[in-house]
Amino acid sequence: TQLLEQSPQFLSIQEGENLTVYCNSSSVFSSLQWYRQEPGEGPVLLVTVVTGGEVKKLKRLTFQFGDARKDSSLHITAAQPGDTGLYLCAGGGFKTIFGAGTRLFVKA
Amino acid sequence: ETGVTQTPRHLVMGMTNKKSLKCEQHLGHNAMYWYKQSAKKPLELMFVYSLEERVENNSVPSRFSPECPNSSHLFLHLHTLQPEDSALYLCASSQGGQDAHEQYFGPGTRLTVT
Repeated sequence: TQLLEQSPQFLSIQEGENLTVYCNSSSVFSSLQWYRQEPGEGPVLLVTVVTGGEVKKLKRLTFQFGDARKDSSLHITAAQPGDTGLYLCAGGGFKTIFGAGTRLFVKA
Repeated sequence: ETGVTQTPRHLVMGMTNKKSLKCEQHLGHNAMYWYKQSAKKPLELMFVYSLEERVENNSVPSRFSPECPNSSHLFLHLHTLQPEDSALYLCASSQGGQDAHEQYFGPGTRLTVT
């Protein structure tokens, strides 16, 4: 059974700090997606990483796919209160599985 | 309307009621999904319809019954629910069938079973 483990589960930081969250598995994935979910809303797709070792940037967010395609990380530079939310990684294509998420709170 | 819409946004029902959740996607996608999101648990895939073929999670109780009349509409029929079924029910769509990776979610229906 494929599983995605995310860490940390919860992170509370001050505005302007940097942070990294992780998504790990013992299984190989053809791709991984990252989503952000705000309270009372559905997840919103941020990025898909496909190639082992790939790095993608989305403004202050940097996503990396591990060389073996078993893990991924999300780094946020100079976090802002608007980055607050639940960050989810997902993989598996048609029968997608999701990690439990990292809940990020950025204090002004 | 754009994206994926869900109605109702909130639903309170008794254990003997029958209700339906509705989802509509305006993205021209060919696959639609139902997920359950409970507190402190990962999103759980319940059902997938791709090109109107259904794939289901075998652990979903029969009191949940999906219906997909066409590629744009998806329903989840609910009957004789239990309090532990209270959760956020999310609909999503994607393009690409079994190789689909990127899903677009609706805002969800917050269901409370009393």
